[in-house]
Amino acid sequence: QVQLQQSGPGLVKPSQTLSLTCAISGDSVSSNTATWNWIRQSPSRGLEWLGRTYYRSKWYTDSAVSVKSRITINPEPSKNQFSLHLNSMTPEDTAVYYCARAAYSGYDTPFDYWGQGTVVTVSS
Amino acid sequence: QSVLTQPPSVSGAPGQRVTISCTGSSSNIGAGYNVHWYQQLPGMAPKLIIFHNNNRPSGVPDRFSGSKSGTSGSLAITGLQAEDEADYYCQSYDSSLSGFVVFGGGTKLTVL
Repeated sequence: QVQLQQSGPGLVKPSQTLSLTCAISGDSVSSNTATWNWIRQSPSRGLEWLGRTYYRSKWYTDSAVSVKSRITINPEPSKNQFSLHLNSMTPEDTAVYYCARAAYSGYDTPFDYWGQGTVVTVSS
Repeated sequence: QSVLTQPPSVSGAPGQRVTISCTGSSSNIGAGYNVHWYQQLPGMAPKLIIFHNNNRPSGVPDRFSGSKSGTSGSLAITGLQAEDEADYYCQSYDSSLSGFVVFGGGTKLTVL
């Protein structure tokens, strides 16, 4: 059974960087089939896919255009986890952030396991 | 404005059947991309209940079913139960956007 455990702060000041971590059990961040994703949810934007990382003989990352200039997703194989860094945070980035697994790398792949979510508020 | 359009709310009495539509376009569902459905209970993460249009993950009751036709997908729930009251979201892929993954705006199911 795959489990994803998120950690990180719930309050970020405007202009600062959000950093969240997703620890994986029951699978590997270095899997040759799965992808490891970050998704957020807010009343104004609904569910929004932010980006992913995956390993296919080398590491790849993809991200949504809306956050492409601000996002970094890093795999951490030694800890079997991956992280999200989103810089230049504004109040519009206030949302619940989720990590999620997709079983394979097609873009119309479902997300079969999710983290518990982290409520992130951007406020001074 | 979501790329995939869902009704904001649906309702039904216990035991009844309800359907939730997910309307897309020729660049997503109509292009043949799969539709997936999630159930989200209050304060919880979304849970996958239908994948690849009409398949149920292990443990999801067969009261939940999915279908796809043209530019739309549909979720049906039969024999409504109180615990089905939740938000439901569809998901697919859109080839015209650089966001890759697209979700519907969500539908609140109320069991009367």
